[in-house]
Amino acid sequence: GQQVMQIPQYQHVQEGEDFTTYCNSSTTLSNIQWYKQRPGGHPVFLIQLVKSGEVKKQKRLTFQFGEAKKNSSLHITATQTTDVGTYFCATLFNTNAGKSTFGDGTTLTVKP
Amino acid sequence: GAGVSQTPSNKVTEKGKYVELRCDPISGHTALYWYRQSLGQGPEFLIYFQGTGAADDSGLPNDRFFAVRPEGSVSTLKIQRTERGDSAVYLCASSLNGPLNTGELFFGEGSRLTVL
Repeated sequence: GQQVMQIPQYQHVQEGEDFTTYCNSSTTLSNIQWYKQRPGGHPVFLIQLVKSGEVKKQKRLTFQFGEAKKNSSLHITATQTTDVGTYFCATLFNTNAGKSTFGDGTTLTVKP
Repeated sequence: GAGVSQTPSNKVTEKGKYVELRCDPISGHTALYWYRQSLGQGPEFLIYFQGTGAADDSGLPNDRFFAVRPEGSVSTLKIQRTERGDSAVYLCASSLNGPLNTGELFFGEGSRLTVL
């Protein structure tokens, strides 16, 4: 079935280093959403991108939607221990349907 | 309440038993979703309600799974003849509108189901 692939599955960084996670699809996406799930917690919405080539920033986080709308990235500058968690991308493959399809996430650990 | 509320937070049951999981969405949210999350994986879509009706139930794995939302607010996910493979965290989410007005999903804390 349609799915989004996220890489890497795990990323371990030293505090202060940058971090990037990628979300890829073989088909054109109508939108992309990013969620963060802290250990033991539930997914929390970060942002939504809908336009080709769109770039949005939230403090140290930069989100990008590819020109072909088949991939997206989340970049964190100068990671902090509070950035620890799993980052998921999610998309609606069919705007007439209800399902948002989630990737399997990238789990980030930050060493102080 | 302020957020999406799910009960119970934990449920341990024996194989073959019947289980009900409840979700109370954010007041005024017309769209309600059920997802299932296994360890190390992303949330897997089960069913989506717009108001009282199930607009998309294509994610329900088989006919042992059923969900209702009779008054367009609280929803119950029902699992019959539970199997060990049903063990997972069941997440409920709500949004102000449906996916065509794609807004953020507000997730509850989840119900952790363990089938022994």
